[in-house]
Amino acid sequence: KAGVTQTPRYLIKTRGQQVTLSCSPISGHRSVSWYQQTPGQGLQFLFEYFSETQRNKGNFPGRFSGRQFSNSRSEMNVSTLELGDSALYLCASSPTSGSDTQYFGPGTRLTVL
Amino acid sequence: ELKVEQNPLFLSMQEEKNYTIYCNYSTTSDRLYWYRQDPGKSLESLFVLLSNGAVKQEGRLMASLDTKARLSTLHITAAVHDLSATYFCAVDIVTTSGTYKYIFGTGTRLKVLA
Repeated sequence: KAGVTQTPRYLIKTRGQQVTLSCSPISGHRSVSWYQQTPGQGLQFLFEYFSETQRNKGNFPGRFSGRQFSNSRSEMNVSTLELGDSALYLCASSPTSGSDTQYFGPGTRLTVL
Repeated sequence: ELKVEQNPLFLSMQEEKNYTIYCNYSTTSDRLYWYRQDPGKSLESLFVLLSNGAVKQEGRLMASLDTKARLSTLHITAAVHDLSATYFCAVDIVTTSGTYKYIFGTGTRLKVLA
């Protein structure tokens, strides 16, 4: 099976812009979770989608949003980018929602200038 | 506040030595996971520990779980350079709405010196 794929792999934006990241889960996986990884804060949970519904949400401002499509692919959007949004954004998929091993994609490295 | 803490945060060890990474969590959890992350890469699943007393081994790594103490350990036997990476533990917890949520530990950066 193909693994989790994320596009783009690298992205450079300027403050105030918005960005959309994409994640395609492993075939058959219906849950997609998003994480932000930074050297200072570590791995922080953003949100989880299962069957096109947001199941859980982390403690991030409303500028961070996401959605999931009927084919389980997911997108994450960040509006009004700030310098502090520079991070590695990881997407993970699992067959079910919660209580299961997550399979991570390669990540999208976002740099905000 | 829910916390998943690992120690040490940084570990520099000689090849062929043994060492243990500890993962403490502050609330009841059904499962505990260990992941590995190589520099610049994504996370790779190592172990899933399902119940109290569970022990899993793969090569030079062995993980165990004590749910009563809310403690998991990742033991490294006769370390080799290839084990240099950052190791994360994670727990999944039941939220107030009845769904599960993954919480990652702080990570332990391991460097094995030749």
